[in-house]
Amino acid sequence: DIQMTQSPSSLSASVGDRVTITCQASQDISNYLNWYQQKPGKAPKLLIYDASNLETGVPSRFSGSGSGTDFTFTISSLQPEDIATYYCQQYDNLPPTFGQGTKLEIK
Amino acid sequence: QVQLQESGPGLVKPSETLSLTCTVSGGSISSYYWSWIRQPPGKGLEWIGYIYYSGSTNYNPSLKSRVTISVDTSKNQFSLKLSSVTAADTAVYYCARFDCGGDCRNSEPNYFDYWGQGTLVTVSS
Repeated sequence: DIQMTQSPSSLSASVGDRVTITCQASQDISNYLNWYQQKPGKAPKLLIYDASNLETGVPSRFSGSGSGTDFTFTISSLQPEDIATYYCQQYDNLPPTFGQGTKLEIK
Repeated sequence: QVQLQESGPGLVKPSETLSLTCTVSGGSISSYYWSWIRQPPGKGLEWIGYIYYSGSTNYNPSLKSRVTISVDTSKNQFSLKLSSVTAADTAVYYCARFDCGGDCRNSEPNYFDYWGQGTLVTVSS
């Protein structure tokens, strides 16, 4: 299985801050990488697919980049409603695997 | 708008079989892949497997010996059976559409774009 490692595991930031989360794959996965947001008690929500494509209806303050083994997820200006856990997920090889998650809190 | 809803027992005894059904509304189950994903309390996400509407399946090797996923296109439903459960199988179970980003007849599935709300299944005697 391809291992996905996110950092940091948790993050505290202020409203308006730029927030960056990284995801590293254990092998080259090209751009076969998605990002999800999960709020407490809710199902994950797809935000970014194919490493950098914004899902329809998702605010433009969310963005993604990267290819190969190293990927970045960015919130350009943190909003209170962005408090959630964020997961990366690869689909280069089956089984699809997720990172361990990054819990984002408001400072 | 596609909606998914999981249903099934919330409590299963050790060594028994966990059975869940996902009902898809607002769209046809045809032409797509459908998955089960689980999340133990306070932990991360684990893909269990998928089924194509035609019936072809693929399972996570870590669970393959215990998992069966089936589809009933006439009811717009797909189902999960997980046998010989233990406490380690206690989790929120989600059903999700595993989309291809194009025509799934010609592409592999890529991302989970629609999810059910999830159902907690506890394994306990």
